[in-house]
Amino acid sequence: NAGVTQTPKFQVLKTGQSMTLQCAQDMNHEYMSWYRQDPGMGLRLIHYSVGAGITDQGEVPNGYNVSRSTTEDFPLRLLSAAPSQTSVYFCASSNEETQYFGPGTRLLVL
Amino acid sequence: TQLLEQSPQFLSIQEGENLTVYCNSSSVFSSLQWYRQEPGEGPVLLVTVVTGGEVKKLKRLTFQFGDARKDSSLHITAAQPGDTGLYLCAGAMDTGNQFYFGTGTSLTVIP
Repeated sequence: NAGVTQTPKFQVLKTGQSMTLQCAQDMNHEYMSWYRQDPGMGLRLIHYSVGAGITDQGEVPNGYNVSRSTTEDFPLRLLSAAPSQTSVYFCASSNEETQYFGPGTRLLVL
Repeated sequence: TQLLEQSPQFLSIQEGENLTVYCNSSSVFSSLQWYRQEPGEGPVLLVTVVTGGEVKKLKRLTFQFGDARKDSSLHITAAQPGDTGLYLCAGAMDTGNQFYFGTGTSLTVIP
């Protein structure tokens, strides 16, 4: 099992550019989520999904879109990147007991 | 405003010392988890507590859930350099599947 994989590992964007952060899991988990991690603030939930075709907003959803067409994949889209979106992004999938996190994507928006 | 506040934010101690990290909230949680995160990696789950007053032990780590399920503590006995990392608490509410993370405690254990 690869667990949770994320691509890319690093990305630099200019303000206004769009991009998609990829996340995939091979554990057949229904629940997946996206977090951003900023210094002194822990992890904050952006969007989550309880199964294919179902998504919902977390604490900080503005500026991000998600979709869940398959159980395995949960991409996060930045429509028009802003410097405030500079952060480390983590994808997670979970069963009833445990959240498994990917290695993260480090994003810098100039 | 963070739902879960952790203290201290930073902690640097000598190998062999004991320490306690606190995770506090004014909200009630159905369960609370503790994670450790190493630089450049995602958080890894250490333990889940679900019952008020529950105590769980993981080798030299002792986790306690407050009686009112609003707070938790992590106690490390005889800290080792391998304990160095960012410790995060995360609470889940009855109303959904969302986990709310604490602000984190960065621990450095000096050999």
